[in-house]
Amino acid sequence: EAGVAQSPRYKIIEKRQSVAFWCNPISGHATLYWYQQILGQGPKLLIQFQNNGVVDDSQLPKDRFSAERLKGVDSTLKIQPAKLEDSAVYLCASSLVGTQGTEAFFGQGTRLTVV
Amino acid sequence: DAKTTQPPSMDCAEGRAANLPCNHSTISGNEYVYWYRQIHSQGPQYIIHGLKNNETNEMASLIITEDRKSSTLILPHATLRDTAVYYCIVRPRNSGGSNYKLTFGKGTLLTVNP
Repeated sequence: EAGVAQSPRYKIIEKRQSVAFWCNPISGHATLYWYQQILGQGPKLLIQFQNNGVVDDSQLPKDRFSAERLKGVDSTLKIQPAKLEDSAVYLCASSLVGTQGTEAFFGQGTRLTVV
Repeated sequence: DAKTTQPPSMDCAEGRAANLPCNHSTISGNEYVYWYRQIHSQGPQYIIHGLKNNETNEMASLIITEDRKSSTLILPHATLRDTAVYYCIVRPRNSGGSNYKLTFGKGTLLTVNP
């Protein structure tokens, strides 16, 4: 089956500019996650959707980050305005809902460099 | 915060078994132990998970102690391609809701040497 697709793969922007990342999860996966991974650290959850509703956005810096998941499928994550400390890899993951076979599958990520 | 403790790094010779330990002393009865790994420049990849019984799949074996406070991931015949950061994660059994997140720590960097 096709995996989680993310684009772009790489992005370089200047601070105070805006940027958007796109994610297409595995077909049929109701849960979608966005993670931020700073160099040398484990991924940190930014936001979790179930279908098109937000389940957890407690670690999303809402003054500059926003995310949406239209029609419960694709999702976009936006940063506006970007700061230097936003330089990181942004990972999207998806999983089924249930008690079995609900492991999360990750995309390759978008590497953002803010200069 | 991650509920697990792992050594920051380990080495293993190619062809030998790699045994990666994880402590999760505060695990509750409805939480699974999950293992993921992340090869350089890739997203994390699911390896295996278990509740209380030992588990084995085509990638690895998971040994969970009887008190469930620790576990060991075993790669039976490590190859150079197994060099990666390995994450041990505890996660509630039932999906859905904000507690069904994957909370990553810093993991263990396993280096497989020729």
